[in-house]
Amino acid sequence: SSELTQDPAVSVALGQTVRITCQGDSLRSYYASWYQQKPGQAPVLVIYGKNNRPSGIPDRFSGSSSGNTASLTITGAQAEDEADYYCNSRDSSGNHLYVFGTGTKVTVL
Amino acid sequence: QVQLVQSGAEVKKPGASVKVSCKASGYTFTSYYMHWVRQAPGQGLEWMGIINPSGGSTSYAQKFQGRVTMTRDTSTSTVYMELSSLRSEDTAVYYCARVYESWGAFDIWGQGTMVTVSS
Repeated sequence: SSELTQDPAVSVALGQTVRITCQGDSLRSYYASWYQQKPGQAPVLVIYGKNNRPSGIPDRFSGSSSGNTASLTITGAQAEDEADYYCNSRDSSGNHLYVFGTGTKVTVL
Repeated sequence: QVQLVQSGAEVKKPGASVKVSCKASGYTFTSYYMHWVRQAPGQGLEWMGIINPSGGSTSYAQKFQGRVTMTRDTSTSTVYMELSSLRSEDTAVYYCARVYESWGAFDIWGQGTMVTVSS
């Protein structure tokens, strides 16, 4: 099965920009989706497809992709953006199979 | 509104089975595939499998093959995930999540069900 690798942790100053990356072979064939998870809560979808935001997600969240790497960028990070972020995609080893990234803890300083 | 409501917390002994339910509302149940994802304490998200509520077909992560069974009841718009031969490592929060299939994005999540395996 595929694997998606993320940096374990990143920090960003309040109001600055941070980029979180997700690497894996499946990303050469499939788009990544990105999820925000705060302590004790279920994950929330923040980016999907080429660069789509569900209703209610601030436009400071954006996504991009190149080769085997997908990225989530937070432009003008806010205190409430401090959370764990996970990528996921379909698994290139089979239809209807999926895989999650290892997760990145974002700290807003 | 669109929501997924899961059953309550469970405590099981090693070797037992657990069955978690996920009731959908606010949309056409058979139009969206449903996934199960788990998260052990302090760990990341782990994909377990998928069920098509329309026909009942399933696909499971290799890790859970032979131990997990996903079913659905279209009369109550509910999907179920049963995990057998429980061990301590299965202690986790279990989530159901609807998938926006065109994009492979999990757009609606249940609130999670804590399953504790302890002797």
